[in-house]
Amino acid sequence: AQKVTQAQTEISVVEKEDVTLDCVYETRDTTYYLFWYKQPPSGELVFLIRRNSFDEQNEISGRYSWNFQKSTSSFNFTITASQVVDSAVYFCALSPPNAGNMLTFGGGTRLMVKP
Amino acid sequence: KAGVTQTPRYLIKTRGQQVTLSCSPISGHRSVSWYQQTPGQGLQFLFEYFSETQRNKGNFPGRFSGRQFSNSRSEMNVSTLELGDSALYLCASSLASGGDAFFGQGTRLTVV
Repeated sequence: AQKVTQAQTEISVVEKEDVTLDCVYETRDTTYYLFWYKQPPSGELVFLIRRNSFDEQNEISGRYSWNFQKSTSSFNFTITASQVVDSAVYFCALSPPNAGNMLTFGGGTRLMVKP
Repeated sequence: KAGVTQTPRYLIKTRGQQVTLSCSPISGHRSVSWYQQTPGQGLQFLFEYFSETQRNKGNFPGRFSGRQFSNSRSEMNVSTLELGDSALYLCASSLASGGDAFFGQGTRLTVV
């Protein structure tokens, strides 16, 4: 069985602070995909990143960066210099290989960025 | 390029009725997945269709069904609605099964 845990249910920061959202996963598969999505109040899940378990390189995209550590089964997401527009619920998800888009989601972390 | 389109955006139904939700994927995408989002259970996978065939199914009762048409558009149907079916239903599409999945804005279903 697969499981994704986002222990932080809610985080509140002041604009320009850096914030890290934690994601820990469990799977028996040796290969898998990891995802992060952002859900603003409109409800749509916005795709942020997909990472293959073979690729443990960290990734940076603008103010966003991701730290994948297979040894600790973690795939953490950092927002640098947070902005009010970053306020949303962020979901981490896991999918097994050869199982299409059958994503297992974590419970989500609500991020509130105050001006 | 148009995104994933779900219709209707909002729906109110009575217990016992049935409902059909529609999802139009991004042009060229052949995989469509459906998810249910509730405050209590979070985001849960319902099923995935690829080239008109159901590839995977989540742990939901048989009242939940779906289909995909030759143009990749998908519908999901819920029969004999229960109060607990009230949720945001999200559809995702991707080029291939297992690719980057892009979601629509969802259909918010309220069962009264």
